[in-house]
Amino acid sequence: EPEVTQTPSHQVTQMGQEVILRCVPISNHLYFYWYRQILGQKVEFLVSFYNNEISEKSEIFDDQFSVERPDGSNFTLKIRSTKLEDSAMYFCASSAPRGGAGTDTQYFGPGTRLTVL
Amino acid sequence: AQTVTQSQPEMSVQEAETVTLSCTYDTSESDYYLFWYKQPPSRQMILVIRQEAYKQQNATENRFSVNFQKAAKSFSLKISDSQLGDAAMYFCAYRSGGFQKLVFGTGTRLLVSP
Repeated sequence: EPEVTQTPSHQVTQMGQEVILRCVPISNHLYFYWYRQILGQKVEFLVSFYNNEISEKSEIFDDQFSVERPDGSNFTLKIRSTKLEDSAMYFCASSAPRGGAGTDTQYFGPGTRLTVL
Repeated sequence: AQTVTQSQPEMSVQEAETVTLSCTYDTSESDYYLFWYKQPPSRQMILVIRQEAYKQQNATENRFSVNFQKAAKSFSLKISDSQLGDAAMYFCAYRSGGFQKLVFGTGTRLLVSP
């Protein structure tokens, strides 16, 4: 069964450094998302991406964040200058299979644990 | 803005018994979707069940079923014949028909004892 994959599983970085989190969505999906979960808290929406542009973003997704689909398979989240409070689990998700039903269901990857020191 | 409330931080159940996790939501929309996701200790988010608001029939997936009360804005999850592998955090989530983002509740930790 197709699944969303994310790399790395754990990233440790120094405050102020740039990080890129990578995701490979399910191949025939059209919508891509990033969410984050600070330890012990609920999952929060960051951004959705469709047709090579951002379709929706939250107030968390400020100028420090950017997303990109550099090729036909990868979807990346870049944090330009990491802060201590960016430490969290970052989940990628995808939905809406091309030409198929079930556009509403988002399938999540296993997450990348980001630790900012 | 839509909100999702899970009032039970933690629930306990014994193996083979039934447990119900509560979720309420607030929205003024008529077109929306509701979901339950399971998050085991590995922290991966796994879809358990989904419900379309326009459907009156409650969704079921094997041992998992929901009680969807649209007028009351309630969406509870019933787990029958509980198994040790059901132990996890369970998140209720809402998605508007017009927008893509999921709005999550704070989660309920389910403990399953032998």
